[in-house]
Amino acid sequence: SQTIHQWPATLVQPVGSPLSLECTVEGTSNPNLYWYRQAAGRGLQLLFYSVGIGQISSEVPQNLSASRPQDRQFILSSKKLLLSDSGFYLCAWSVPTPLGTEAFFGQGTRLTVV
Amino acid sequence: DQQVKQNSPSLSVQEGRISILNCDYTNSMFDYFLWYKKYPAEGPTFLISISSIKDKNEDGRFTVFLNKSAKHLSLHIVPSQPGDSAVYFCAAKGAASKLTFGTGTRLQVTL
Repeated sequence: SQTIHQWPATLVQPVGSPLSLECTVEGTSNPNLYWYRQAAGRGLQLLFYSVGIGQISSEVPQNLSASRPQDRQFILSSKKLLLSDSGFYLCAWSVPTPLGTEAFFGQGTRLTVV
Repeated sequence: DQQVKQNSPSLSVQEGRISILNCDYTNSMFDYFLWYKKYPAEGPTFLISISSIKDKNEDGRFTVFLNKSAKHLSLHIVPSQPGDSAVYFCAAKGAASKLTFGTGTRLQVTL
């Protein structure tokens, strides 16, 4: 069966510090991978998605970047965090089928920038 | 530009009654729609989906209806149970299997 691991679960970082959140998927090959953010009181905003190694699409201009160094590894980074980067970050994966696709989410990382 | 909208931020329903959560979309290229349930501090979990070639899909207590001409879908939960209390997100699939989510509706099922 497929599983998704996302860590850490919670993180408190000072403004201006770097960020690295990691996500790995097991039990599937060549998944589509996603990073979403849920800001307080808001919906799920798609930040990045990837259809293959080294292929990253950015949805919104921001202070963050993403990388996919391996097929089942997706990393969210920042060189210098801003207060506005605080939020709940979610990694997800999906494998398209002819009938459609469901995305499966990790448990999320609560990031607080102080 | 919010392509998927859930105009009701919250909904309160009595246990045993029907819960109806609504979602509207603007992009006619969306071809697959999903509903997710989310508890605080957890990732969303998939509930039910519907292809754009159908107008109804049922799974136990959950039924999703799609009205393509109105660009509207709804999730019906009947009977509602206290454990259904959560935030519900609708999502739509577009190009490259990218999922666009709505802003969510918080459902509270009361005793």
